Amino acid sequence: AQKVTQAQTEISVVEKEDVTLDCVYETRDTTYYLFWYKQPPSGELVFLIRRNSFDEQNEISGRYSWNFQKSTSSFNFTITASQVVDSAVYFCALSEAGDSWGKLQFGAGTQVVVTP
Amino acid sequence: DAGVTQSPTHLIKTRGQQVTLRCSPKSGHDTVSWYQQALGQGPQFIFQYYEEEERQRGNFPDRFSGHQFPNYSSELNVNALLLGDSALYLCASSSAGYGYTFGSGTRLTVV
Repeated sequence: AQKVTQAQTEISVVEKEDVTLDCVYETRDTTYYLFWYKQPPSGELVFLIRRNSFDEQNEISGRYSWNFQKSTSSFNFTITASQVVDSAVYFCALSEAGDSWGKLQFGAGTQVVVTP
Repeated sequence: DAGVTQSPTHLIKTRGQQVTLRCSPKSGHDTVSWYQQALGQGPQFIFQYYEEEERQRGNFPDRFSGHQFPNYSSELNVNALLLGDSALYLCASSSAGYGYTFGSGTRLTVV
């Protein structure tokens, strides 16, 4: 079963618009970690954020912000005032405790296209 | 400080052949994981190595095997290549499961 769902395949915006990427996860563990990664055309996965299941505080880093809601099993990501350099594929990932600790389970990714 | 280094960056193999991909982890990291990313999909976990042993394995056939060396570097071997093995293979290193640093990957094309 898909543990991480990114329902949006592609989002196209014009520069300076805000864009929100949705991520819904599924786990029975009470201890887990959620991640967001950015994958530019070069292929390397660039780490953006790691959040543990006990910390629901929203986080802001520059133009990036994250909204973690355990009640809806969602960990959404917003880029404010998007720029062309934000064009990439963004992945949400889950790492569960217990036997699966250390294994990242990725969603299918959301392609973000920012045009000038 | 060098990040994760993977080699080669690209290679082309013929069906039935064998291939070895290499990964050098980030300095200070002792755990290496391998992922397969088919075109247009998210990375899929292949296996993880720690202390030179396979600690976890994803849903991949035995044709996929690996090794970790005392210096924490790792190899991924794929035998009897199939067309469906064409993908970007990513290596990630970590320490104590905290942060995962990915390399740029090896693009494998099987013809």
